[in-house]
Amino acid sequence: DTAVSQTPKYLVTQMGNDKSIKCEQNLGHDTMYWYKQDSKKFLKIMFSYNNKELIINETVPNRFSPKSPDKAHLNLHINSLELGDSAVYFCASSRRSGTTFFGQGTRLTVV
Amino acid sequence: SQQGEEDPQALSIQEGENATMNCSYKTSINNLQWYRQNSGRGLVHLILIRSNEREKHSGRLRVTLDTSKKSSSLLITASRAADTASYFCATDRGGNQFYFGTGTSLTVIP
Repeated sequence: DTAVSQTPKYLVTQMGNDKSIKCEQNLGHDTMYWYKQDSKKFLKIMFSYNNKELIINETVPNRFSPKSPDKAHLNLHINSLELGDSAVYFCASSRRSGTTFFGQGTRLTVV
Repeated sequence: SQQGEEDPQALSIQEGENATMNCSYKTSINNLQWYRQNSGRGLVHLILIRSNEREKHSGRLRVTLDTSKKSSSLLITASRAADTASYFCATDRGGNQFYFGTGTSLTVIP
């Protein structure tokens, strides 16, 4: 069974569009995250949600917004996509100070 | 910067040799985790070492942590071609602040 699953795996879209990436975890974790991995493979945390409360936002443009309908889901909405948004986006989840498990990533290409 | 740094950035070894990667970080941590990422895939958790631990083993993996030097090392013994991947350290500073290093790209030549 997949622990952290995100969809879609690949997303190609035009500049200016609005898109969403979905994430679900079945581990019963209380914290979920979104990371962005750039072309140099550098992973940067974007958001984390703990019990529906946003607790980290690392200077991410407000075009990006996380939405958590429940503890098991943290979706990422991106408005007015830009070329620089092209990257691989990873969803992750953990218990406090525990192992963090990652999804397989969504490769977003903005053209 | 807030993230850790691994060195070397790239490492190429023969199958059967040992591979050692190092990670340095800048702030106090609760724990440090090592991950592997195969090309184009997600991150796979390898091992977690807490700040009060100095060494941990898991199969062919050995991780050390020196909090006084703010550094950690990952040793992979008897490497295999399947170990070819990028390896990242990630530091948990508490408060769900979790930062990745820049990664070491390991190539194991059969």
